[in-house]
Amino acid sequence: DGGITQSPKYLFRKEGQNVTLSCEQNLNHDAMYWYRQDPGQGLRLIYYSQIVNDFQKGDIAEGYSVSREKKESFPLTVTSAQKNPTAFYLCASKTGGTAKNIQYFGAGTRLSVL
Amino acid sequence: GESVGLHLPTLSVQEGDNSIINCAYSNSASDYFIWYKQESGKGPQFIIDIRSNMDKRQGQRVTVLLNKTVKHLSLQIAATQPGDSAVYFCAEIGGSNYKLTFGKGTLLTVNP
Repeated sequence: DGGITQSPKYLFRKEGQNVTLSCEQNLNHDAMYWYRQDPGQGLRLIYYSQIVNDFQKGDIAEGYSVSREKKESFPLTVTSAQKNPTAFYLCASKTGGTAKNIQYFGAGTRLSVL
Repeated sequence: GESVGLHLPTLSVQEGDNSIINCAYSNSASDYFIWYKQESGKGPQFIIDIRSNMDKRQGQRVTVLLNKTVKHLSLQIAATQPGDSAVYFCAEIGGSNYKLTFGKGTLLTVNP
């Protein structure tokens, strides 16, 4: 099956700990995105990558880091600098790099702080 | 700043009725719009999209209307079913900005 796979589904972070959320896609999409969703809110862009080995900060990048070493993978690290990490994290991808077209989403990772 | 917002945060309808979910946007340069459906605990699911060279587009049981004059977007769902219960988001992108901007969402509840 083609699609976007996020893992784990649930993740718990201890204070001062870095955690990494996985996002893998087998759709051969050029662009990938990370969003954060808080309860009752819309999606806010953390980081995005339009091509391998390149990425840009979104609207709320502080306390997060990413890498894009492979086309199919775009992991997100939530660092200890992110003081309010509890949220639902969504990964998305789309074809066409900078073209305006549909972003497809994974099932999400719910991160909580212990 | 520029934003995408929604007129109604919640909408409750009877099964079989038609639903209309509204969205206002403020970026006059926006030229591509997407509606997503998000069920509880899941990722957003694509419903329908529309580009600014169109004012109406139809899918299966759904229609999106775009009024560029007043910067308003709506999603119409025909014969609403219990499975349509979810949060619906509009998102827009425009100009040289490659980022989608999402509204806060409307919670649609379908009563049997």
